[in-house]
Amino acid sequence: DAMVIQNPRYQVTQFGKPVTLSCSQTLNHNVMYWYQQKSSQAPKLLFHYYDKDFNNEADTPDNFQSRRPNTSFCFLDIRSPGLGDAAMYLCATSRDGGKGETQYFGPGTRLLVL
Amino acid sequence: DAKTTQPNSMESNEEEPVHLPCNHSTISGTDYIHWYRQLPSQGPEYVIHGLTSNVNNRMASLAIAEDRKSSTLILHRATLRDAAVYYCILRDVNAGGTSYGKLTFGQGTILTVHP
Repeated sequence: DAMVIQNPRYQVTQFGKPVTLSCSQTLNHNVMYWYQQKSSQAPKLLFHYYDKDFNNEADTPDNFQSRRPNTSFCFLDIRSPGLGDAAMYLCATSRDGGKGETQYFGPGTRLLVL
Repeated sequence: DAKTTQPNSMESNEEEPVHLPCNHSTISGTDYIHWYRQLPSQGPEYVIHGLTSNVNNRMASLAIAEDRKSSTLILHRATLRDAAVYYCILRDVNAGGTSYGKLTFGQGTILTVHP
C-alpha cells in the first residue's frame, strides 16, 4: 500500500564519498521533488522534476544532483558529501504540481556523514 | 511563495479541540492555503487545504478569514497521535511558471498533546 518509498531509511557515508539515495512511487505522478531537512529545521526544496524536465532551486549546491530514469524512480546523488550535508532527505510526488494538489511524501532517508 | 507566520509552539490536552492559527497578510488572490503536519521521524503529510471557503475533512477543519489574511486549523478532538509540527503554507504555482507546486515550509507550530 506504500505510495512513496525511500531506500534506505538510514544511510551512513564517509566524508567525500559519493552517495545515492533512491525514491520510487506507485502513484504514477508527473512531479517528483527532493527536499532536505536539517535537524530542527523545516524541509527545504532542492529540486524537482516534471516528467523529465529538471528544475533546480537557485541555492541548491552543485554537489547535489538528481536523475529520473522513468516515471517511477528518482535518485538524489551527493557527489562529495560534507559534514553539513547530514540531514533527512525527503522525496515527494504530486500529480501535476497544481496549486490545489496534495504532495505525498515518503518516510525520508536520514543521512549521516562520518 | 507568500510568507506565513505561526506560533512556535502550542499545547493541548487529549480529547480537547485545538485551534492552530496562521497569519498570511500578504496572501494573493490565487494563493491556496495548505496545511501539512510532520510527526516525529516521518515525512510531512497533507492535512487540508482551501482557497476562500471553510473546509472540512476527516482529519481537521480549516477556517479562513473573510479577508483571507489569516486562517485556523482546527483539530476537533486532539489525540496523542496528533502531536506533530504543523505547517501552514501558501501555494501559487502561477509564479515563475516552473515551480510545479513546490512547498515553501516555514518553521511551523510544534503541537504538544498532554494525556
